[in-house]
Amino acid sequence: AQSVAQPEDQVNVAEGNPLTVKCTYSVSGNPYLFWYVQYPNRGLQFLLKYITGDNLVKGSYGFEAEFNKSQTSFHLKKPSALVSDSALYFCAVRANAGNNRKLIWGLGTSLAVNP
Amino acid sequence: GAGVSQSPSNKVTEKGKDVELRCDPISGHTALYWYRQSLGQGLEFLIYFQGNSAPDKSGLPSDRFSAERTGGSVSTLTIQRTQQEDSAVYLCASSQSGTETYEQYFGPGTRLTVT
Repeated sequence: AQSVAQPEDQVNVAEGNPLTVKCTYSVSGNPYLFWYVQYPNRGLQFLLKYITGDNLVKGSYGFEAEFNKSQTSFHLKKPSALVSDSALYFCAVRANAGNNRKLIWGLGTSLAVNP
Repeated sequence: GAGVSQSPSNKVTEKGKDVELRCDPISGHTALYWYRQSLGQGLEFLIYFQGNSAPDKSGLPSDRFSAERTGGSVSTLTIQRTQQEDSAVYLCASSQSGTETYEQYFGPGTRLTVT
């Protein structure tokens, strides 16, 4: 069965420090991977995606994520965190196979960036 | 251009009443999704429409829930005989097509409270 795990409910980092939000997945076949962000009292916004090609993908607001096939991971990273990055982050995946086009979503990781 | 819109933004209803939630997707987007997000929880897939194909209803939690999409555009999610456990934020998303490579664009959600 397809699944996504975000092992950390909450991540705390100091402003200016690098941040990592972890995501691991389990799918049959090659995965399509996505990160979304939900700012307080706002809707979900797309950040970035991995479909194929370079394992390091760059997205909005200076975020990037690295696809690691051997570790089945797609961790979200940013070199220097901002207080405004504080939000809820969701990882999602679907398999590159079959007719099922639903995304499987992680439970989310709350990121708190402290000034 | 306009994003995904949802109405109402907030809905308070009494247990046992029926409610209708509306979603206007981005013009030209053929795929439309409904999700439910409970407080502090991840996204729960409800239903997925793709063009003229039969919808994927596999996520609907009970037969009290139904959805339709008229003319390939506006969608309505109906909950009959609401229960307190139906209280959640209901999110709608659309994408350019049903293919996996297109990211989903989310509306602001409808916060449903069943008293």
